[in-house]
Amino acid sequence: GENVEQHPSTLSVQEGDSAVIKCTYSDSASNYFPWYKQELGKGPQLIIDIRSNVGEKKDQRIAVTLNKTAKHFSLHITETQPEDSAVYFCAASMYGGSQGNLIFGKGTKLSVKP
Amino acid sequence: DTEVTQTPKHLVMGMTNKKSLKCEQHMGHRAMYWYKQKAKKPPELMFVYSYEKLSINESVPSRFSPECPNSSLLNLHLHALQPEDSALYLCASSQTDRKETQYFGPGTRLLVL
Repeated sequence: GENVEQHPSTLSVQEGDSAVIKCTYSDSASNYFPWYKQELGKGPQLIIDIRSNVGEKKDQRIAVTLNKTAKHFSLHITETQPEDSAVYFCAASMYGGSQGNLIFGKGTKLSVKP
Repeated sequence: DTEVTQTPKHLVMGMTNKKSLKCEQHMGHRAMYWYKQKAKKPPELMFVYSYEKLSINESVPSRFSPECPNSSLLNLHLHALQPEDSALYLCASSQTDRKETQYFGPGTRLLVL
């Protein structure tokens, strides 16, 4: 089955710096890769996602890149702000398969220091 | 609107109690999910409902009993839980179970004494 590795487990940056979180997946059939942000005491919130037919996607300060050959994808946050502090989860799934189940990475706790 | 609502927000129950968690979405989604999340861990899939029918049970103990009364509602009935069942229980929905985007609710924080 699919396995998703996520690094680093914790990340501390100064406000205004960039943050990068990396994930690798094992199943080459996976074709959908969402990123979720989870603030303390809240449910995961989808912040960006990418499909395997695209190499990069941006939404304001957030971008995701995908390298299908290497089977890894990354979240990039530029000009970080204190409100970006949260736990971020990457995930992988196979859209169109028997079930669209999400396989999550173990999460990255991002701290943005003012 | 991509809102999934869950009630209650917090729940404390004894090991002999019976309680229920509720989840609701009005996005017209036909797949709904229950996840369990322990502290500092990712969500773990428990159940998947597709068109109001249970399609996946990830070997969850029978003390957890899901129910899908209609396409907008999802319940999780709890009975004879153990302290190790204390966790955040998350509900999610997606357009179908073959559509990838899942939207999560805020969760119910459950404490079993």
